Amino acid sequence: AQKVTQAQTEISVVEKEDVTLDCVYETRDTTYYLFWYKQPPSGELVFLIRRNSFDEQNEISGRYSWNFQKSTSSFNFTITASQVVDSAVYFCALSSYTGGFKTIFGAGTRLFVKA
Amino acid sequence: EAQVTQNPRYLITVTGKKLTVTCSQNMNHEYMSWYRQDPGLGLRQIYYSMNVEVTDKGDVPEGYKVSRKEKRNFPLILESPSPNQTSLYFCASSRTGQGDYEQYFGPGTRLTVT
Repeated sequence: AQKVTQAQTEISVVEKEDVTLDCVYETRDTTYYLFWYKQPPSGELVFLIRRNSFDEQNEISGRYSWNFQKSTSSFNFTITASQVVDSAVYFCALSSYTGGFKTIFGAGTRLFVKA
Repeated sequence: EAQVTQNPRYLITVTGKKLTVTCSQNMNHEYMSWYRQDPGLGLRQIYYSMNVEVTDKGDVPEGYKVSRKEKRNFPLILESPSPNQTSLYFCASSRTGQGDYEQYFGPGTRLTVT
C-alpha cells in the first residue's frame, strides 16, 4: 500500500529561522513521483516541486531546498531564513503506477512564521 | 490564462438533494482528479480520470460519481448528499495521464450538507 506521512502537524518558528518539514513515504513501486504543494491562508494549492524516483539530486530554489533520500524513503523540505509569507500548510504527495496512478497526499504540516 | 475553474465556490444544501460541482480546465490536460480536504486528513482523492471516458476510484469514492465525456470537463456528482460529505473539494488537472506531472488545482468548493 502507498502511504505518505507528515509527522509534524504544526510548526511554529520566528522569522529568519530555518525550518525543515519532514515527509516519509511508502511504496513498492520502483518508479514513482514525489511532490510538495503549498496552501497559503487564502486556500489555493500551489505546486512547489516534483521529483521522480530515479533522480536523487537535491534541489535548491532560492530559500527553498529539498532533500530526497531513497534509503530512508524521505523527501524533506527546508526553508532557509523563513519569512512571514511562508506561513501556510505544506503537503507532500506521492504518485506511482500502483493502483493506476492514484495520488496520495500526506496530512500536511501547518507552518506558522512569527515576525 | 491557464486555469482550472470550479463552480459553485460555496454551496449549502440539505441531505438527499442531488448536486453537481463542475470542473473545467483550459490546458488540454489528460489527467483530472477530485479531492476532498478535511482537517487533519490532508487531501484525499475521490476519483480520477486518465483521459476521456477513463475514470477510476481514488481512496474515498463512496457517495460520489464522476464522468469524463469531454477532455476539459470533469463534473463531480453527489446523488444523495449526506452530512459526512461536508468538506472542501478541489478539482485538479495534470498534463499526462500517468499522474507523473504536477497538478493544477481549482480554487475549491466549500460544501455544507445539513
